[in-house]
Amino acid sequence: GNSVTQMEGPVTLSEEAFLTINCTYTATGYPSLFWYVQYPGEGLQLLLKATKADDKGSNKGFEATYRKETTSFHLEKGSVQVSDSAVYFCALRIGGYQKVTFGTGTKLQVIP
Amino acid sequence: DTGVSQNPRHKITKRGQNVTFRCDPISEHNRLYWYRQTLGQGPEFLTYFQNEAQLEKSRLLSDRFSAERPKGSFSTLEIQRTEQGDSAMYLCASSQGTSGGTDTQYFGPGTRLTVL
Repeated sequence: GNSVTQMEGPVTLSEEAFLTINCTYTATGYPSLFWYVQYPGEGLQLLLKATKADDKGSNKGFEATYRKETTSFHLEKGSVQVSDSAVYFCALRIGGYQKVTFGTGTKLQVIP
Repeated sequence: DTGVSQNPRHKITKRGQNVTFRCDPISEHNRLYWYRQTLGQGPEFLTYFQNEAQLEKSRLLSDRFSAERPKGSFSTLEIQRTEQGDSAMYLCASSQGTSGGTDTQYFGPGTRLTVL
């Protein structure tokens, strides 16, 4: 079956620190990969996506590269801000299907 | 704001009662999805509509659950004879279907169900 594994949180960083949230996946087909973010009290929002191997998704200073050889899609940001505090979900979708499979989420807390 | 809306935002019910949730998708979107999210977990897919047709259903969607999308616009999710294990956040999402399946799903704020 399809599954997504992400590093457990919570992750606590100081402002301007470098962020990495690891994500690996198992897929029966060729997936598109996503990072979603859920800010406190808000709904899920798409942060970035990549649809084929070696693609890099980027948005709001966050980046993730689709690595087929390591089945990974790690999320990175060079300098986090307090406003980045949220729960981050890695997810995949197999082509031809609409179901999105999510990881369990990683809570990020950025302190001033 | 023309995002996905869900009502009610919170629902508290007693075990054994029926509940119904509503989702209004982004107006031009032809695809609509329901997910369930329990505390500390990621969303789990329940079902998907393209226009009024229900095309995918998860095994999580027991016979106590039914979803409809009459006329391909808003959707309702009904849970009959609720159980405490049904307590969760129910999320709705919508998208504009494209060939190749690269459309982005936009999520609503969710309906939080508590079954006492």
